[in-house]
Amino acid sequence: GGIITQTPKFLIGQEGQKLTLKCQQNFNHDTMYWYRQDSGKGLRLIYYSITENDLQKGDLSEGYDASREKKSSFSLTVTSAQKNEMAVFLCASSPGTFYAEQFFGPGTRLTVL
Amino acid sequence: GDSVTQTEGPVTLSEGTSLTVNCSYETKQYPTLFWYVQYPGEGPQLLFKVPKANEKGSNRGFEATYNKEATSFHLQKASVQESDSAVYYCALSDPGGSNAKLTFGKGTKLSVKS
Repeated sequence: GGIITQTPKFLIGQEGQKLTLKCQQNFNHDTMYWYRQDSGKGLRLIYYSITENDLQKGDLSEGYDASREKKSSFSLTVTSAQKNEMAVFLCASSPGTFYAEQFFGPGTRLTVL
Repeated sequence: GDSVTQTEGPVTLSEGTSLTVNCSYETKQYPTLFWYVQYPGEGPQLLFKVPKANEKGSNRGFEATYNKEATSFHLQKASVQESDSAVYYCALSDPGGSNAKLTFGKGTKLSVKS
C-alpha cells in the first residue's frame, strides 16, 4: 500500500498573497493531479502531471501554477489569493492507465481573509 | 466533451431504507466507470469500478451495473446504515481521452439518520 501526504492541512492567507500547497506520494505512481473541491461543484481538475517535469492544464488552471519536482512530489501555487475564497484542494496519484483508479490525499483547506 | 450527471443532493434517509443514486454519462468512447465515496475530513476513495459494459461492480453492500444502452451507472444499496453518511461521486475514464483523466459528477451528499 501507499499514502498521499498533503501539507499544510489548513492554510489561511491574505488577499493577493501567493500560497503554496505540497503533495507527496509513496505509491511510485507516474501521474499526479491537483483538484479543487467547492461545495456543490464537485471536483474540478486544476493541473496534472504524467511524469517528472511534465505539466498539463486542467479545466481550472487560471490563477494557479504547478510544479512536479520529482516523481513523488507535486506542488500547487495559488498565484494571488482571492478575498473570501474557501475551498479544499485535493491531490491524487495514479499509475496513469485509463482504467486505473486515482488515490487521493486528505486535502488542504484554504481560507482567504 | 465527457460529462457525468448524478442525483442532486442532499439525500436524507432513515437507517434500513434503500438507496439509489442516479448517474448518467456522456462520452464518445466506451469508458471505465467508477463510484467514489468521501467521508468527512478525508479524500475520496474508490468504492468500486467497472471497465466493461453490462457488468456489475459491488463493495460494502453497494452495487451498480454498467448499462451501455442507457448510458447509466446507478448506485444502489438495499439497506443503508448511519456509517454510510458521506458524499458519493460517479466518475468516468475515457480511453480516447488523455492520460487517465477522470470526469467526475458533482457529488451526492447522503445523510443517514438512526
